[in-house]
Amino acid sequence: ETGVTQSPTHLIKTRGQQVTLRCSSQSGHNTVSWYQQALGQGPQFIFQYYREEENGRGNFPPRFSGLQFPNYSSELNVNALELDDSALYLCASSLGGRDGYTFGSGTRLTVV
Amino acid sequence: KQEVTQIPAALSVPEGENLVLNCSFTDSAIYNLQWFRQDPGKGLTSLLLIQSSQREQTSGRLNASLDKSSGRSTLYIAASQPGDSATYLCVSTGGGNKLTFGTGTQLKVEL
Repeated sequence: ETGVTQSPTHLIKTRGQQVTLRCSSQSGHNTVSWYQQALGQGPQFIFQYYREEENGRGNFPPRFSGLQFPNYSSELNVNALELDDSALYLCASSLGGRDGYTFGSGTRLTVV
Repeated sequence: KQEVTQIPAALSVPEGENLVLNCSFTDSAIYNLQWFRQDPGKGLTSLLLIQSSQREQTSGRLNASLDKSSGRSTLYIAASQPGDSATYLCVSTGGGNKLTFGTGTQLKVEL
């Protein structure tokens, strides 16, 4: 059991650029959720994937998109970066949600 | 819509004290309730998971209880230590496996 791994840990991008964040889910977990956490705030739900299909989305614009692969790892893509996208991005995985979620250590994205 | 509230928002205690963190939720139709700690700038570390059919869970100095009928959960920390200083989050899992995060309790344990 290796837990949830996120990469990279830190990233600095320029406004208008695109970024891809990656998440390796815990072994055996088929559900992955992504969250954005601004400094001093609680996590905000971006979207969730279950067996490669998106099955829930929060109040984020379409420039936030994602993928889940057959091995249940996942990517979060953000296009046309804005300064307000600067945040800690968290990935969490679960086996269907009933047995709780395991979170990764997060990716700290800074947009300048 | 599920709402999860935690009281107190912040707490400062001397080392060695026993303390209780409170969590209340508006919708009792949950699959489970999970307590996490979060250190500044870090991810969430799971402390305890209570399934909807359970009343409590224990791990070391931590004990969490769940009362679905009243919409409440408590996290009890015995003999607090400076290393316990962190933000504690109560998180419910509901329909669609959707997580609802509590408002958090920022704990500081002083020497």
